[in-house]
Amino acid sequence: QVQLQESGPGLVKPSQTLALTCTVSGGSISSGSNYWSWIRQPVGKGLEWIGRIYPSGSTNYNPSLRGRVTISVDTSKNQFSLKLSAVTAADTAVYYCARARAMTTPFDYWGQGTLVTVSS
Amino acid sequence: SSKLTQPPSVSVSPGQTASITCSGDHLGERYPCWYQQKPGQSPILVIYQGTRRPSGIPERFSGSNSGITATLTISGTQPMDEADYYCQAWDSSSAWDVVFGGGTKLTVL
Repeated sequence: QVQLQESGPGLVKPSQTLALTCTVSGGSISSGSNYWSWIRQPVGKGLEWIGRIYPSGSTNYNPSLRGRVTISVDTSKNQFSLKLSAVTAADTAVYYCARARAMTTPFDYWGQGTLVTVSS
Repeated sequence: SSKLTQPPSVSVSPGQTASITCSGDHLGERYPCWYQQKPGQSPILVIYQGTRRPSGIPERFSGSNSGITATLTISGTQPMDEADYYCQAWDSSSAWDVVFGGGTKLTVL
């Protein structure tokens, strides 16, 4: 059973960089054609895809966040990470990490989510 | 446009059938799926590839997909089905980026 766990600061100051890590257990982050995504949800609002990374390091990002977002992977630690720069209050949200088996397959495993608040 | 449009809310009486729609260009070709999210919880996949149901999801959940509209149907709706439902698909015009609908609040009353 694959499990994902987000970790990182719950409070980030405006203009700074939000950094989160997702630790994968119960399976290898490098196995198969899996890809790993970050998804966020402002409190009381809908889901927004941030981007994805393949074990090879290849990435795709939501065009609305491109330029501020970087997703990286550390296969030795079975982790992947999110960095979002120049944050504002609009970036306050619950951030989820999730897995999909392959392109055009759904997200079958999700982390529990972590709330990140942007405030001074 | 890759945008997916859902009604903000749907209401249904217990035991009746609830239908939630999701509309988008060429949605029939974009492998739509549906997630259920209850307050304070992560989303759970209930339908994928438009019509397929993951193991462990009750048979009362079904999906249909044609043209520009995907529909999630819950037959014999139970109070436990009250939740937010999100459709999701891929944007074939943009490296298969992931797109979510705005979500539908299903109220069972």
